[in-house]
Amino acid sequence: EPEVTQTPSHQVTQMGQEVILRCVPISNHLYFYWYRQILGQKVEFLVSFYNNEISEKSEIFDDQFSVERPDGSNFTLKIRSTKLEDSAMYFCASMTDINEKLFFGSGTQLSVL
Amino acid sequence: SQKIEQNSEALNIQEGKTATLTCNYTNYSPAYLQWYRQDPGRGPVFLLLIRENEKEKRKERLKVTFDTTLKQSLFHITASQPADSATYLCALVPTGGFKTIFGAGTRLFVKA
Repeated sequence: EPEVTQTPSHQVTQMGQEVILRCVPISNHLYFYWYRQILGQKVEFLVSFYNNEISEKSEIFDDQFSVERPDGSNFTLKIRSTKLEDSAMYFCASMTDINEKLFFGSGTQLSVL
Repeated sequence: SQKIEQNSEALNIQEGKTATLTCNYTNYSPAYLQWYRQDPGRGPVFLLLIRENEKEKRKERLKVTFDTTLKQSLFHITASQPADSATYLCALVPTGGFKTIFGAGTRLFVKA
């Protein structure tokens, strides 16, 4: 069965450093998402991406965050200057159509020291 | 304010019994509602979707109901097994939106 793949599975970085989290969504999917989950808390929406542009973003997704789909297969989340509170599991997800189910990747555990 | 509420306390049941999980939402009018399963350290996995014109949906041992008047969905696992132990998330897409919003989830423990 096709799946969403995320790399790396773990990322440790120093506060203030830039990180790029990478995702390869399922190939025929059209809608792409990033979510995050702080340990013990709920899965929170960050951003949705459709037709090569951001379709919706949350209050969390401030100017420190950006997303790109550079080559038609990869979907990346960049955090320009990481803060301690950015430590979380980051999930990429995709779907074929807006009224369908989300397929999630296994996540990238980001630790900011 | 808009909320999706699930029982925050863990649900402990004996193997073979039916587990019932509740999801209530406030100030949303979703066209459909979804349930996902999440295991520790893993991404959510889709289980079932129920639309506003459907009262009940079944898939193997799973059953979901959707009451748009009560603004509530119930999720049942019949003949529960220890392998069903996980966190179950209720989710919806606000009308006209692109994002799926998740509840905090209910942790289910099934004892052998």
